[in-house]
Order: sequence, then structure tokens, then C-alpha cells
Amino acid sequence: DAGVTQSPTHLIKTRGQHVTLRCSPISGHKSVSWYQQVLGQGPQFIFQYYEKEERGRGNFPDRFSARQFPNYSSELNVNALLLGDSALYLCASSFDPSGGTDTQYFGPGTRLTVL
Amino acid sequence: KNEVEQSPQNLTAQEGEFITINCSYSVGISALHWLQQHPGGGIVSLFMLSSGKKKHGRLIATINIQEKHSSLHITASHPRDSAVYICAVVSNFGNEKLTFGTGTRLTIIP
Repeated sequence: DAGVTQSPTHLIKTRGQHVTLRCSPISGHKSVSWYQQVLGQGPQFIFQYYEKEERGRGNFPDRFSARQFPNYSSELNVNALLLGDSALYLCASSFDPSGGTDTQYFGPGTRLTVL
Repeated sequence: KNEVEQSPQNLTAQEGEFITINCSYSVGISALHWLQQHPGGGIVSLFMLSSGKKKHGRLIATINIQEKHSSLHITASHPRDSAVYICAVVSNFGNEKLTFGTGTRLTIIP
């Protein structure tokens, strides 16, 4: 069975542009979480979705938004990109709606570079 | 002060050595995760625990809820164990999100 997939794997954008990152969870998983990992640091929680509803939001500006589709795949959108948005964006899926108290299965990540 | 602190930040050891990585946290938690991140970014979940001890192969994870401390041990370490090991906690209030430590970079020399 396929694991969590993310696309694209790498992306280069310039300041002020918009970006959309995509994630497909493991089949049967209804919870998707997004994380930002800046180089040299641990991941930071951005959003969690379960059954197409937002279940949690981290301390990120409104430029960051996300949604989950009926097939449980998810998109993360970032508007008005800043240099500081350069990071590895990770998606994780789980079966349980709790998000944190269930084993998380991570995708390979999308590496975003903002120039 | 970060909610989750790991030590050491970097660890280099010879193949075969017994490895211990520590994680301390400052909040009440409902669960703690140990994760492994290889170069390139992919993260693999190693353990999720809320009490006691878990073992999988050469890996052992323990947690002491009263002392707010967890350890990850690797027995008979091997160069393929070289990776960044990350501790993450789920606080027992709020939206159950994961809060991560900054990771421990482990290098095993043949």
C-alpha cells in the first residue's frame, strides 16, 4: 500500500508569489496534519484536518491556509511568500481524529525555497 | 525555554556502542513520540508512548511521567542508525497538536 505522498518534491518561488502544496494520505486515513520545518529546527505544527474540517491551527499568519477534500487529500496554500517561508513542508496522516495521540505517518516533504 | 528539550544536540559514536538520547518536557502530556529523520527529510515514527517502556528490535524507549523525561536507547549501534532523532509531545490540553524538540543528530562511525 502506498504511503503518504506529497507534491511537488521541490519548489522555487520568489517573494510575493503564491504556492500550493499537495498531500495524499494513506488509504483509510482521514486525518491530515501539516508541519513546517526550517533548516536546523524541529517541525512546527501548522494545521490539522479531519473529515474535511479544521481541527487545529498553529501559530502561523493568515497567509497560510489549507483545506481537505472528500477523498481526504489536502492542500496547503501560502500567499505573499516571504524569504522566511523557505522550509521543508511535511504532511502526516493518521487514522484517529485526535491527530497527536495516534501514530503519525509522514510524507517525504516538499522543500520550498523562496528567493 | 522550549516546551521540549533534547540532549545531546549532536552525538558521534563508534559502531556497536550503546546510545542514549534524552528528552525533557515542561507540560503535562497525553503522549510522547520518538521520530527518526534521515537526510533528505523523510520522517519515520519509531514509538508513541504514554507510560513505561517500549521495545522494537534494537530500539528501546522509556518515559517517566512524574519526572517529565523520556529516553531513546539504541543497542549495538550501526552506521545505518545515523539520522536525526526527534522527540515530540502531545499536551493534555488544547488541540492535541505535536510539539517537537529540535532533534539529536546521531552519527555512527564504522
